[in-house]
Amino acid sequence: ETGVTQTPRHLVMGMTNKKSLKCEQHLGHNAMYWYKQSAKKPLELMFVYNFKEQTENNSVPSRFSPECPNSSHLFLHLHTLQPEDSALYLCASSPHRDRQETQYFGPGTRLLVL
Amino acid sequence: GQNIDQPTEMTATEGAIVQINCTYQTSGFNGLFWYQQHAGEAPTFLSYNVLDGLEEKGRFSSFLSRSKGYSYLLLKELQMKDSASYLCAVRALGGGFKTIFGAGTRLFVKA
Repeated sequence: ETGVTQTPRHLVMGMTNKKSLKCEQHLGHNAMYWYKQSAKKPLELMFVYNFKEQTENNSVPSRFSPECPNSSHLFLHLHTLQPEDSALYLCASSPHRDRQETQYFGPGTRLLVL
Repeated sequence: GQNIDQPTEMTATEGAIVQINCTYQTSGFNGLFWYQQHAGEAPTFLSYNVLDGLEEKGRFSSFLSRSKGYSYLLLKELQMKDSASYLCAVRALGGGFKTIFGAGTRLFVKA
Protein backbone atom coordinates (compact mmCIF):
# COMPACT_ATOMS: atom_id res chain seq x y z
CA GLU A 1 0.00 0.00 0.00
CA THR A 2 1.76 3.12 -1.23
CA GLY A 3 -0.83 5.64 -0.09
CA VAL A 4 -1.14 7.01 -3.63
CA THR A 5 -4.00 5.72 -5.74
CA GLN A 6 -4.72 6.29 -9.40
CA THR A 7 -7.80 5.66 -11.49
CA PRO A 8 -8.37 4.25 -13.97
CA ARG A 9 -5.54 1.75 -14.12
CA HIS A 10 -6.05 1.20 -17.84
CA LEU A 11 -7.60 3.50 -20.43
CA VAL A 12 -8.17 3.18 -24.16
CA MET A 13 -9.35 6.30 -25.96
CA GLY A 14 -9.74 7.66 -29.46
CA MET A 15 -8.04 10.82 -30.61
CA THR A 16 -11.28 12.81 -30.40
CA ASN A 17 -12.21 11.67 -26.89
CA LYS A 18 -11.94 13.63 -23.67
CA LYS A 19 -10.97 11.75 -20.54
CA SER A 20 -9.48 12.48 -17.13
CA LEU A 21 -6.97 10.67 -14.97
CA LYS A 22 -7.34 10.91 -11.23
CA CYS A 23 -4.76 10.70 -8.48
CA GLU A 24 -5.36 10.76 -4.75
CA GLN A 25 -2.82 10.63 -1.95
CA HIS A 26 -3.59 9.74 1.64
CA LEU A 27 -0.19 10.67 3.06
CA GLY A 28 -0.79 14.28 4.05
CA HIS A 29 1.72 15.49 1.47
CA ASN A 30 1.72 18.96 -0.03
CA ALA A 31 3.41 18.33 -3.37
CA MET A 32 2.04 16.22 -6.23
CA TYR A 33 3.51 15.29 -9.59
CA TRP A 34 2.53 13.90 -12.97
CA TYR A 35 5.07 11.79 -14.88
CA LYS A 36 4.97 10.14 -18.29
CA GLN A 37 6.81 6.90 -18.94
CA SER A 38 7.01 5.69 -22.53
CA ALA A 39 8.53 2.41 -23.58
CA LYS A 40 12.32 2.57 -23.78
CA LYS A 41 12.40 6.28 -22.93
CA PRO A 42 13.40 8.05 -19.71
CA LEU A 43 10.77 8.96 -17.20
CA GLU A 44 9.51 12.48 -17.94
CA LEU A 45 8.29 14.88 -15.31
CA MET A 46 5.24 16.72 -16.68
CA PHE A 47 3.79 18.89 -13.91
CA VAL A 48 4.48 19.73 -10.29
CA TYR A 49 2.03 21.20 -7.78
CA ASN A 50 3.03 22.52 -4.40
CA PHE A 51 0.26 23.53 -2.00
CA LYS A 52 -2.21 23.40 -4.94
CA GLU A 53 -0.11 25.82 -7.01
CA GLN A 54 1.54 24.67 -10.24
CA THR A 55 5.28 25.19 -9.96
CA GLU A 56 6.59 23.24 -12.95
CA ASN A 57 5.35 22.64 -16.46
CA ASN A 58 8.00 20.84 -18.45
CA SER A 59 6.91 22.07 -21.88
CA VAL A 60 3.91 19.76 -21.94
CA PRO A 61 1.49 20.15 -24.89
CA SER A 62 -1.77 21.88 -24.09
CA ARG A 63 -3.77 18.75 -24.87
CA PHE A 64 -2.73 17.72 -21.35
CA SER A 65 -4.38 19.92 -18.73
CA PRO A 66 -3.66 19.38 -15.02
CA GLU A 67 -5.93 20.34 -12.17
CA CYS A 68 -5.21 20.33 -8.45
CA PRO A 69 -8.30 21.24 -6.42
CA ASN A 70 -6.58 20.46 -3.10
CA SER A 71 -3.36 18.95 -1.82
CA SER A 72 -4.80 15.44 -1.84
CA HIS A 73 -6.17 15.29 -5.37
CA LEU A 74 -4.61 15.74 -8.78
CA PHE A 75 -6.23 15.34 -12.16
CA LEU A 76 -4.90 15.17 -15.69
CA HIS A 77 -7.47 16.11 -18.30
CA LEU A 78 -6.86 14.69 -21.73
CA HIS A 79 -8.28 15.87 -25.06
CA THR A 80 -7.45 15.36 -28.72
CA LEU A 81 -4.51 13.13 -27.86
CA GLN A 82 -2.18 11.56 -30.39
CA PRO A 83 -1.12 7.90 -30.65
CA GLU A 84 2.37 8.86 -29.45
CA ASP A 85 0.81 9.94 -26.16
CA SER A 86 0.24 6.27 -25.35
CA ALA A 87 2.29 5.63 -22.23
CA LEU A 88 2.18 4.91 -18.53
CA TYR A 89 1.16 8.02 -16.58
CA LEU A 90 2.42 8.06 -13.04
CA CYS A 91 1.34 10.27 -10.19
CA ALA A 92 3.59 10.89 -7.19
CA SER A 93 3.52 12.91 -3.99
CA SER A 94 6.03 14.18 -1.47
CA PRO A 95 5.86 16.21 1.74
CA HIS A 96 7.08 19.37 0.01
CA ARG A 97 8.37 20.19 -3.46
CA ASP A 98 11.61 21.57 -2.07
CA ARG A 99 12.24 18.48 0.03
CA GLN A 100 11.85 15.67 -2.49
CA GLU A 101 13.64 13.18 -0.25
CA THR A 102 10.58 10.99 -0.04
CA GLN A 103 8.50 10.78 -3.16
CA TYR A 104 5.86 8.10 -3.42
CA PHE A 105 4.47 6.89 -6.73
CA GLY A 106 1.05 5.57 -7.53
CA PRO A 107 0.59 2.42 -9.63
CA GLY A 108 0.03 4.42 -12.81
CA THR A 109 -2.57 4.59 -15.56
CA ARG A 110 -1.66 2.76 -18.72
CA LEU A 111 -3.06 4.81 -21.60
CA LEU A 112 -3.55 3.65 -25.16
CA VAL A 113 -4.58 6.22 -27.76
CA LEU A 114 -6.03 4.79 -30.96
CA GLY B 1 21.69 21.94 -22.06
CA GLN B 2 21.05 19.26 -19.48
CA ASN B 3 22.15 15.67 -19.91
CA ILE B 4 22.26 12.53 -17.78
CA ASP B 5 24.25 9.42 -18.65
CA GLN B 6 24.15 6.02 -17.03
CA PRO B 7 24.97 2.56 -18.36
CA THR B 8 22.16 0.75 -20.13
CA GLU B 9 22.64 -2.63 -18.52
CA MET B 10 24.76 -4.32 -15.85
CA THR B 11 25.02 -7.88 -14.62
CA ALA B 12 26.22 -8.96 -11.18
CA THR B 13 26.24 -12.06 -9.01
CA GLU B 14 24.11 -12.69 -5.96
CA GLY B 15 25.96 -11.67 -2.80
CA ALA B 16 28.33 -9.36 -4.65
CA ILE B 17 28.64 -5.57 -4.72
CA VAL B 18 27.71 -3.47 -7.74
CA GLN B 19 28.22 0.21 -8.46
CA ILE B 20 25.95 2.03 -10.91
CA ASN B 21 27.39 5.31 -12.15
CA CYS B 22 25.59 8.42 -13.27
CA THR B 23 27.13 11.52 -14.81
CA TYR B 24 25.23 14.69 -15.46
CA GLN B 25 25.60 18.10 -16.99
CA THR B 26 23.32 20.79 -15.72
CA SER B 27 23.20 24.35 -14.46
CA GLY B 28 21.52 25.30 -11.20
CA PHE B 29 21.97 21.85 -9.66
CA ASN B 30 19.48 21.28 -6.86
CA GLY B 31 19.73 17.61 -5.96
CA LEU B 32 20.13 14.11 -7.37
CA PHE B 33 17.79 11.17 -6.87
CA TRP B 34 18.02 7.44 -7.34
CA TYR B 35 14.91 5.33 -7.92
CA GLN B 36 14.38 1.61 -8.28
CA GLN B 37 11.81 0.34 -10.74
CA HIS B 38 10.86 -3.30 -11.14
CA ALA B 39 9.39 -4.30 -14.47
CA GLY B 40 5.76 -3.28 -14.75
CA GLU B 41 5.80 -1.40 -11.46
CA ALA B 42 6.07 2.23 -10.39
CA PRO B 43 9.46 3.69 -9.38
CA THR B 44 10.38 3.56 -5.72
CA PHE B 45 12.47 6.29 -4.12
CA LEU B 46 15.90 5.10 -2.95
CA SER B 47 18.01 8.13 -2.13
CA TYR B 48 18.49 11.85 -2.42
CA ASN B 49 21.82 13.70 -2.42
CA VAL B 50 22.22 17.45 -2.50
CA LEU B 51 25.62 17.78 -0.79
CA ASP B 52 28.87 16.02 -1.66
CA GLY B 53 29.57 12.74 0.03
CA LEU B 54 28.15 9.35 0.73
CA GLU B 55 24.67 8.62 2.06
CA GLU B 56 24.16 5.11 3.41
CA LYS B 57 20.87 3.34 3.84
CA GLY B 58 21.23 -0.30 4.71
CA ARG B 59 22.49 -2.24 1.70
CA PHE B 60 22.20 0.80 -0.55
CA SER B 61 24.51 3.83 -0.59
CA SER B 62 24.60 6.84 -2.86
CA PHE B 63 27.52 9.14 -3.53
CA LEU B 64 27.61 12.61 -5.04
CA SER B 65 30.40 14.84 -6.33
CA ARG B 66 28.94 18.11 -7.54
CA SER B 67 32.24 19.41 -8.90
CA LYS B 68 32.58 16.33 -11.12
CA GLY B 69 28.90 16.06 -12.02
CA TYR B 70 29.03 12.47 -10.84
CA SER B 71 27.04 10.13 -8.66
CA TYR B 72 26.94 6.43 -8.02
CA LEU B 73 24.56 4.00 -6.38
CA LEU B 74 26.26 1.17 -4.51
CA LEU B 75 24.36 -2.02 -3.81
CA LYS B 76 25.88 -4.49 -1.38
CA GLU B 77 25.04 -8.14 -0.66
CA LEU B 78 23.06 -8.37 -3.85
CA GLN B 79 19.85 -10.34 -3.82
CA MET B 80 17.86 -11.69 -6.73
CA LYS B 81 15.08 -9.23 -5.93
CA ASP B 82 17.50 -6.37 -6.69
CA SER B 83 17.11 -7.14 -10.38
CA ALA B 84 15.42 -3.97 -11.61
CA SER B 85 16.02 -0.70 -13.40
CA TYR B 86 17.79 2.03 -11.45
CA LEU B 87 16.95 5.57 -12.44
CA CYS B 88 19.18 8.57 -11.84
CA ALA B 89 17.40 11.94 -11.82
CA VAL B 90 18.73 15.46 -11.45
CA ARG B 91 16.79 18.45 -10.24
CA ALA B 92 17.90 21.86 -11.41
CA LEU B 93 16.77 25.38 -10.75
CA GLY B 94 16.59 27.64 -13.76
CA GLY B 95 13.43 29.48 -14.64
CA GLY B 96 11.71 27.25 -12.13
CA PHE B 97 12.53 23.76 -10.91
CA LYS B 98 13.09 21.03 -13.50
CA THR B 99 13.69 17.35 -12.87
CA ILE B 100 15.33 15.28 -15.59
CA PHE B 101 15.63 11.50 -15.53
CA GLY B 102 18.29 9.34 -17.06
CA ALA B 103 17.25 6.41 -19.22
CA GLY B 104 17.90 3.99 -16.37
CA THR B 105 20.28 1.09 -15.83
CA ARG B 106 18.83 -2.41 -15.99
CA LEU B 107 20.55 -4.58 -13.40
CA PHE B 108 20.45 -8.34 -13.73
CA VAL B 109 21.41 -10.33 -10.64
CA LYS B 110 22.37 -13.93 -11.37
CA ALA B 111 22.75 -16.82 -8.97
